Amino acid sequence: KAGVTQTPRYLIKTRGQQVTLSCSPISGHRSVSWYQQTPGQGLQFLFEYFSETQRNKGNFPGRFSGRQFSNSRSEMNVSTLELGDSALYLCASSFGSGSNNEQFFGPGTRLTVL
Amino acid sequence: AQSVAQPEDQVNVAEGNPLTVKCTYSVSGNPYLFWYVQYPNRGLQFLLKYITGDNLVKGSYGFEAEFNKSQTSFHLKKPSALVSDSALYFCAVRDMNNNAGNMLTFGGGTRLMVKP
Repeated sequence: KAGVTQTPRYLIKTRGQQVTLSCSPISGHRSVSWYQQTPGQGLQFLFEYFSETQRNKGNFPGRFSGRQFSNSRSEMNVSTLELGDSALYLCASSFGSGSNNEQFFGPGTRLTVL
Repeated sequence: AQSVAQPEDQVNVAEGNPLTVKCTYSVSGNPYLFWYVQYPNRGLQFLLKYITGDNLVKGSYGFEAEFNKSQTSFHLKKPSALVSDSALYFCAVRDMNNNAGNMLTFGGGTRLMVKP
């Protein structure tokens, strides 16, 4: 079974631009969660999508948004990029939501904002 | 609110010696607890989880963890460390009683260095 895939793996953008990251979950998984990892703040939850609906959202500004498609693939978008948005963005998939299922993580997208 | 503390930024151990990576948590309800490992330029890999039942949980690569409800701890252990275990380890918690879906709260991470 293929694992969680994320594209692109690396991105360089400049301040003020916007960016879209993509995540394809493990086949059969319907929940996709997004996390931001930075040296200063560690791993922080962004949001979770389950069956195309946002299930939960972390404490991030409205510039961070996401969506999920009918095939469970998910995208996250960051608008008006700031230097502080430079981070590793990790996507995780799980079969269910709010259950005891573990989440499986993709390799991440490293975003650098100049 | 839920939180996780990993009190040690780094743990050093000699190859062949036992290792322990500490984790304490705080949740309002009952916890689901997880350990993940991260190698350089990679995502997080699932090691093990505690849901309910036996307090000693066995996971991948010879790792195990002991759930202690009274001390709100979930320390990761391995009887004999390998150099290849050197990586960044994260403890995470989810409150099974709140309606937060799959949201995980992570600790700050502990870097494990195993020396030959």
